[in-house]
Amino acid sequence: QKEVEQDPGPLSVPEGAIVSLNCTYSNSAFQYFMWYRQYSRKGPELLMYTYSSGNKEDGRFTAQVDKSSKYISLFIRDSQPSDSATYLCAMSLQGAQKLVFGQGTRLTINP
Amino acid sequence: GAVVSQHPSWVICKSGTSVKIECRSLDFQATTMFWYRQFPKQSLMLMATSNEGSKATYEQGVEKDKFLINHASLTLSTLTVTSAHPEDSSFYICSARVDFREFFGPGTRLTVL
Repeated sequence: QKEVEQDPGPLSVPEGAIVSLNCTYSNSAFQYFMWYRQYSRKGPELLMYTYSSGNKEDGRFTAQVDKSSKYISLFIRDSQPSDSATYLCAMSLQGAQKLVFGQGTRLTINP
Repeated sequence: GAVVSQHPSWVICKSGTSVKIECRSLDFQATTMFWYRQFPKQSLMLMATSNEGSKATYEQGVEKDKFLINHASLTLSTLTVTSAHPEDSSFYICSARVDFREFFGPGTRLTVL
């Protein structure tokens, strides 16, 4: 079993839809949770980061962490074609150097 | 957020030659940088952790004599692919850590003919 599981998709939705991207993890000691967006042939861009359980909102993006269920989500409201990318979840232990990544979900927003 | 640059953005070389890729933190100092490799439609694969002033720590299965890493200053780490072969063709990405967040460079596409 992988430490972090993420549905690779691909996921295709119409413009304006609400998108839900999810990751589950097995290590209950993970403390920091991040979402990255990666466009084709580019480096990943940090979108959202959270520490511990709860919600964090930034514009059209909401990151949610449920540590009791070992489940994190990224919601995208009013999705735009420019949101089409691969989304990677990542997490780490407190004091750890390395991030553990999910496999990435390929998302396409259709105009 | 913190800015990380990479140079070159793409490189084509002949088999048997060596290629050096630079990774710079532009607006912060990075004691630790990371080098990743990514194949098409796959996630990131960590190759090594680069620590300023000390030897890099390589992940299992990564040949340290083939992928030479040098982190000579707090803003620069380099990855040299020695005696490159076509199977080394890939997308190489570096990153740097700021507290618990990791910021990535734009990546370098290496094609070995």
